[in-house]
Amino acid sequence: AQSVTQPDIHITVSEGASLELRCNYSYGATPYLFWYVQSPGQGLQLLLKYFSGDTLVQGIKGFEAEFKRSQSSFNLRKPSVHWSDAAEYFCAVGSSGTYKYIFGTGTRLKVLA
Amino acid sequence: EAGVVQSPRYKIIEKKQPVAFWCNPISGHNTLYWYRQNLGQGPELLIRYENEEAVDDSQLPKDRFSAERLKGVDSTLKIQPAELGDSAVYLCASSLEQVYNEQFFGPGTRLTVL
Repeated sequence: AQSVTQPDIHITVSEGASLELRCNYSYGATPYLFWYVQSPGQGLQLLLKYFSGDTLVQGIKGFEAEFKRSQSSFNLRKPSVHWSDAAEYFCAVGSSGTYKYIFGTGTRLKVLA
Repeated sequence: EAGVVQSPRYKIIEKKQPVAFWCNPISGHNTLYWYRQNLGQGPELLIRYENEEAVDDSQLPKDRFSAERLKGVDSTLKIQPAELGDSAVYLCASSLEQVYNEQFFGPGTRLTVL
């Protein structure tokens, strides 16, 4: 069965510092991977997605993620965090042939001024 | 372009009462999803529609939950009767009818059952 693990429930970084949010997945075949961001009181917004090809994926708002098959990981990175990045981030995996996404439990990011 | 619209944004009811949530997807999006997001968790799919057909309702608790998508546009999710454990955020999302097109999410309805 598919599963997604986000091992960090909370992360706090200073504004301007770099950021890496971890995501590990369990899936037998090549997964379809996504990162979403959810601001308080808002719906989820897609940051980036990986289906195939280049394992380094660029997204919106300066985010990128790298698919590492050997580590079953799809970590999200940003070189310099802005205060507006404070939100909850969800990693999701999709299964081939269906529309079903499995979401992780999320990582809440706090940004210190 | 308007996004996914949901109403109400907040709902407080007593247990055993009925409740309904409404969703208007992005124009032209044939696929509509209802998710439930419990506190501290990621969203979990309840039901997916392709036009007016419910093509995946395997996670919908059918004893108390029902959904409809008349005319393949707006959708309503109903709970009757509500239980304390139904307190959650109910999210609606829509996408074009292509596998792994981006799902666009609405702001959700936060339900509190007392």
